[in-house]
Amino acid sequence: GAGVSQSPSNKVTEKGKDVELRCDPISGHTALYWYRQSLGQGLEFLIYFQGNSAPDKSGLPSDRFSAERTGGSVSTLTIQRTQQEDSAVYLCASSLVRVNQPQHFGDGTRLSIL
Amino acid sequence: QQPVQSPQAVILREGEDAVINCSSSKALYSVHWYRQKHGEAPVFLMILLKGGEQKGHEKISASFNEKKQQSSLYLTASQLSYSGTYFCGTEENTGFQKLVFGTGTRLLVSP
Repeated sequence: GAGVSQSPSNKVTEKGKDVELRCDPISGHTALYWYRQSLGQGLEFLIYFQGNSAPDKSGLPSDRFSAERTGGSVSTLTIQRTQQEDSAVYLCASSLVRVNQPQHFGDGTRLSIL
Repeated sequence: QQPVQSPQAVILREGEDAVINCSSSKALYSVHWYRQKHGEAPVFLMILLKGGEQKGHEKISASFNEKKQQSSLYLTASQLSYSGTYFCGTEENTGFQKLVFGTGTRLLVSP
């Protein structure tokens, strides 16, 4: 596709349930990032994948959060036992792995925990 | 730590100029600027590299003071389409493109 694709666009779930958020990066982009944006707030880094290297997980807020990237392309962010404070927009971005390339963002998944 | 942006918010009339500042407590390798409109994804505007090279937008300029660990975004002759929230993203001397985004500056351009 032409841009970064995220699904679902909206997700409403009950507290305690698990959720999976999907990101399909721009073809050829080997760097992939997940961010979280709470209402009216900035972008909080969660995790970064670059090619076949071990991901940088330093931004994951708790062990309930995990992410994987299969075949160097599609990524899934999983949140287990969701809490109300997990409610936010989850943004995915991808970029080329060259010096100083811009990140291209998807439209995000708006997650609401009831 | 998160870069600090100033001002937090600014209101302009169409045609006026604005400056948005981004300040970090850490040595920086590059600074990226993005604009996000309400309910939309952030859109890339500009990259400023250590050493002065600049890549990005035609109608928006920026500066990067490496010694002061600061960057400024200059919006001249603002248009209605400039409205949105502006974020700087700073990259430390890692070369791994991991960005730490700033606190954001809300800009509203009115007719």
